[in-house]
Amino acid sequence: RKEVEQDPGPFNVPEGATVAFNCTYSNSASQSFFWYRQDCRKEPKLLMSVYSSGNEDGRFTAQLNRASQYISLLIRDSKLSDSATYLCVVNSPMDSNYQLIWGAGTKLIIKP
Amino acid sequence: DAGITQSPRYKITETGRQVTLMCHQTWSHSYMFWYRQDLGHGLRLIYYSAAADITDKGEVPDGYVVSRSKTENFPLTLESATRSQTSVYFCASRAGTYNSPLHFGNGTRLTVT
Repeated sequence: RKEVEQDPGPFNVPEGATVAFNCTYSNSASQSFFWYRQDCRKEPKLLMSVYSSGNEDGRFTAQLNRASQYISLLIRDSKLSDSATYLCVVNSPMDSNYQLIWGAGTKLIIKP
Repeated sequence: DAGITQSPRYKITETGRQVTLMCHQTWSHSYMFWYRQDLGHGLRLIYYSAAADITDKGEVPDGYVVSRSKTENFPLTLESATRSQTSVYFCASRAGTYNSPLHFGNGTRLTVT
């Protein structure tokens, strides 16, 4: 089992729809979680950190479920510009340190 | 401007040549990272640094050398470039606390012929 897993997609979603995807992680001691978006061959950009109580930023909502060991990202009223690959990152303990473990990404395509 | 910058943006080199990719950040972040991303694949960690003069191997360090004599700079050197090192290279930095997010440079697209 991979340490951080995402459904690669693509998710094909009509403009205006709501879409959600999850990211599962294997290490229950993981401490911090993030969602990034990456446009084709450009640098990943931080979308939002994921807090224990869940957090919202405009049309985006992130949730953390520690019991089931996954984080989720919900996008409401999707725009064409939301088309991108969404990467989750988990900060997990490894040896005596913490390591950032990246998911392979979920590709989202918003269609007009 | 504050931020993290990489140079060059594009580089074409020949097999066997030494190449150095530069990374500079102005935030005084303690951690810096080098990733490579091949077409259709995810990010793979090459090397990282927790502070000046402290570096450590990542997932794919072979064929690469790093140094960090100053906090703000983290150059990556390919000692003898190979075609398999054709990739997009991203430098990133973050503050020292475990819940600090990474911030990326805009990447160097390297082609080895």
